[in-house]
Amino acid sequence: QMQLVQSGAEVKRPGTSVRVSCQTSGYIFSAYWMHWLRQAPGQGPEWMGCISPNTGETVYAQKFKDWVTLTRDPSISTGWMELTRLRSHDTAVYYCARDKSGSEGRIFDLWGRGTLVTVSS
Amino acid sequence: DIQMTQSPSSLSAAVGDRVTITCRASQSISTYLNWYQQKPGKAPKLLIYDASTLYTGVPSRFSGSGSGIDFTLTISSLRPEDFATYYCQQSDSNPVTFGQGTKLEIK
Repeated sequence: QMQLVQSGAEVKRPGTSVRVSCQTSGYIFSAYWMHWLRQAPGQGPEWMGCISPNTGETVYAQKFKDWVTLTRDPSISTGWMELTRLRSHDTAVYYCARDKSGSEGRIFDLWGRGTLVTVSS
Repeated sequence: DIQMTQSPSSLSAAVGDRVTITCRASQSISTYLNWYQQKPGKAPKLLIYDASTLYTGVPSRFSGSGSGIDFTLTISSLRPEDFATYYCQQSDSNPVTFGQGTKLEIK
C-alpha cells in the first residue's frame, strides 16, 4: 500500500523553527519527486517547493526560498521540511505529496495526512 | 505567478444534479490543469490531470475539459459522497498555484 506518513502536530513559539518528516512506503522512493504544500484554515493549498529524491535538487517557491529547507534520505525513504523564523500566520496544515509524473511534473497523486503546525506565543 | 480563479466559490445542489465548476487562469497554461477534491480534515485527492484525464479509480461521472485559460470540471450526476470542496491547480510553471476552491453543498 502506497502511503506517506507524516510526523505529528507541533506547537511552536514565534521566531523558532519546525521540522516535519514524511516517510514513504509502498513505492520506489527514488522514482518520484516529493513536494511540500501548506494549507491555512479556510484557504486553498499553497505550494512551497519540491525535492528530487535522487539528487536532492530543490526547487522553492520564491516566497519561501529564504526560510524553507527541504531534505531527503533515500536510504530510509523519508523527506523533511524545515521552516524557520516562524510567525503566527505560518499556522497551517503542512502536507508532503508525491509527484505523479516521476519528474517535476507538479501533479500530486499521493498525499500525506498533513501535519498541523500551530505558531502561538 | 499565474493566478487561478474559480467560480462559483460555493454551490448548492441536490443528489442526481449535474454541476459544473469553472477555473480561469491569468495566462495560457495549455492543458496543464488539474482538479482535486477535498473533504474536511482530509488531504486533497487528485481527480483529473492534464485538464481532461481521469485519474485511476475516479468515477466516470467526473470529467474535465478546457485548454488555454478556461477550464471546467463537471459532475454528471451528484452522489452524496461528492459533497466536498474542489480545487483547480495549474502545473504549467513554478510556483504551482491553486484556485481558491468551490464548496459544493447539499441543497
